[in-house]
Amino acid sequence: AQSVTQLGSHVSVSEGALVLLRCNYSSSVPPYLFWYVQYPNQGLQLLLKYTTGATLVKGINGFEAEFKKSETSFHLTKPSAHMSDAAEYFCAVSEGNFGNEKLTFGTGTRLTIIP
Amino acid sequence: EAGVTQFPSHSVIEKGQTVTLRCDPISGHDNLYWYRRVMGKEIKFLLHFVKESKQDESGMPNNRFLAERTGGTYSTLKVQPAELEDSGVYFCASSRGGSLARYTFGSGTRLTVV
Repeated sequence: AQSVTQLGSHVSVSEGALVLLRCNYSSSVPPYLFWYVQYPNQGLQLLLKYTTGATLVKGINGFEAEFKKSETSFHLTKPSAHMSDAAEYFCAVSEGNFGNEKLTFGTGTRLTIIP
Repeated sequence: EAGVTQFPSHSVIEKGQTVTLRCDPISGHDNLYWYRRVMGKEIKFLLHFVKESKQDESGMPNNRFLAERTGGTYSTLKVQPAELEDSGVYFCASSRGGSLARYTFGSGTRLTVV
């Protein structure tokens, strides 16, 4: 069975500071990993994904994440926070079995940006 | 292309009543998924349709929940009778077969049972 742990249900950073949201996973097979963002009153939007290949993945809005197999981690970073980054972020994993692509999510991290 | 559409966006019902949520996937997406987020907890998988067939319904909480997908197009999720613990946000997602990375989520339906 697969699982996702997101450390820190709430994270606050100052505008312009580094954003680091942590995600650790467990999976019995090579995982597919995702970060989604949910802005207030909106649906889930894909930020970035790792399937195979390069372990450093770049996404939208300046975010990136690095797949580290030895640490079973997929932490999300952004060098400089912007006020518009305030949202809830979800890490997710899938075993990527063809035809059964259900996602297992973490509990989410709410990011607050301090002016 | 139009996105995944869910309605209603909000629903408030009394305990014991029935509610039906609807999801219209992206045209041509054979795969349709339902997820639920209870307040403060993780988003949990409920079930997966491939066209009109239920591929995996291992996440359905109990027999008060009934999901259908008529003709492999839109899907409904009925809760009957609703209980307080059913409150949460219900998300629908769709994808083409084999394209895990192209999941598209709807905006969700916020269900409040009082």
